[in-house]
Amino acid sequence: EVQLVESGGGLVKPGGSLRLSCAASGFTFSDYNMNWVRQAPGKGLEWVSSISRSSSYRYYADSVKGRFTISRDNAKNSLHLQMNSLRAEDTAVYYCARVHDSGDYSLVYWGQGTLVIVSS
Amino acid sequence: DIQMTQSPSTLSASVGDRVTITCRAGQAISSWLAWYQQKAGKAPKLLIYKASNLESGVPSRFSGRGSGTEFTLTISSLQPDDFATYYCQEYNSYSWTFGQGTKVEIK
Repeated sequence: EVQLVESGGGLVKPGGSLRLSCAASGFTFSDYNMNWVRQAPGKGLEWVSSISRSSSYRYYADSVKGRFTISRDNAKNSLHLQMNSLRAEDTAVYYCARVHDSGDYSLVYWGQGTLVIVSS
Repeated sequence: DIQMTQSPSTLSASVGDRVTITCRAGQAISSWLAWYQQKAGKAPKLLIYKASNLESGVPSRFSGRGSGTEFTLTISSLQPDDFATYYCQEYNSYSWTFGQGTKVEIK
């Protein structure tokens, strides 16, 4: 069974940093691109970042470019999101998500999410 | 970035109704579109990928159509479990965009 379990969320002051992690199991982690998607309270979904299987390609939403860094450790089946210079508008539930089996880039498996609150 | 516009924002319907949600892309995205269902406090669930492909395990009352810039998600006969918020998402580019969501409410 595919499982994605996020951790690392919490309360942080504006300008602070936080590192999110996503532990993957039930599939060959190194075979799939991975993503972070967030959802601010009461709002819609926002794609944040993607990383290719071997970390060769990394993509970011304009809203986080230069502040967030996505990474992965295929040996440990883990995905990370380093978030620096956090702002109030970064407050959201952050989900990690895996792309589809068929090579399609839709997001077929999602974690339960971890809540990040940026507030003084 | 590609803009994705969903309509309507809210839809009131009854059990058994046929409902259709529309998603328009700001530029052509071929068939690189997915539909998700999200219930309160839960992660999104993939329903449709590549515009018209039903994800495994998703009931056949859900269907997707379209290509280019206009797409639809149809629920042929609304069931109590279908009251939720639905999002489209394009993945044609490397700056993916979700629609703003359509909340399907009980009439």
